[in-house]
Amino acid sequence: NAGVMQNPRHLVRRRGQEARLRCSPMKGHSHVYWYRQLPEEGLKFMVYLQKENIIDESGMPKERFSAEFPKEGPSILRIQQVVRGDSAAYFCASSLSGAYSNQPQHFGDGTRLSIL
Amino acid sequence: EDKVVQSPLSLVVHEGDTVTLNCSYEVTNFRSLLWYKQEKKAPTFLFMLTSSGIEKKSGRLSSILDKKELFSILNITATQTGDSAVYLCAVEPNAGNNRKLIWGLGTSLAVNP
Repeated sequence: NAGVMQNPRHLVRRRGQEARLRCSPMKGHSHVYWYRQLPEEGLKFMVYLQKENIIDESGMPKERFSAEFPKEGPSILRIQQVVRGDSAAYFCASSLSGAYSNQPQHFGDGTRLSIL
Repeated sequence: EDKVVQSPLSLVVHEGDTVTLNCSYEVTNFRSLLWYKQEKKAPTFLFMLTSSGIEKKSGRLSSILDKKELFSILNITATQTGDSAVYLCAVEPNAGNNRKLIWGLGTSLAVNP
């Protein structure tokens, strides 16, 4: 499967624990995007990364949330000290190239995060 | 504030019907508009539109953009039960190196046999 791969598909955490969500982009894609979808709300942009660089994190909460896309390995979205309000579906997307291109973003199946 | 509004929010039709889904937008600078289909899992890319008046077509689906009136429509002809899904519209503002998408809430389409 050459699509965007996210894992785990479902993640359950207790309040105060850490959540790590992983995303492997499509083969050949070096641009990764994270979105959050809350119940009854649309997708909201969180962060845009290239290899080893954060390009835009304007949608990320200032505290507890961080993202990385290392030179080797998947992109990681990390949520520390999770709270009930973090329960959502987190989608990762990737594209072949960045701005000023007509390459669409392709999405993974998402990680459903539930906070007990 | 940049925003995308889709209508209707939900729609129920019978197989064989033709449907038109609407997407209007307000963005400071426009780069592209995209349509996706979401069936419980990943949003699946359908179309990317950047120029007014040029119809994009894929099988029974087609879409067109009007940059003057700031809207797009997605048409589905001869609908099938497999077309049942949420159809999402997103706009990519032209903001330098940024590539974030602004999303509508989607139109939930149910096609009954």
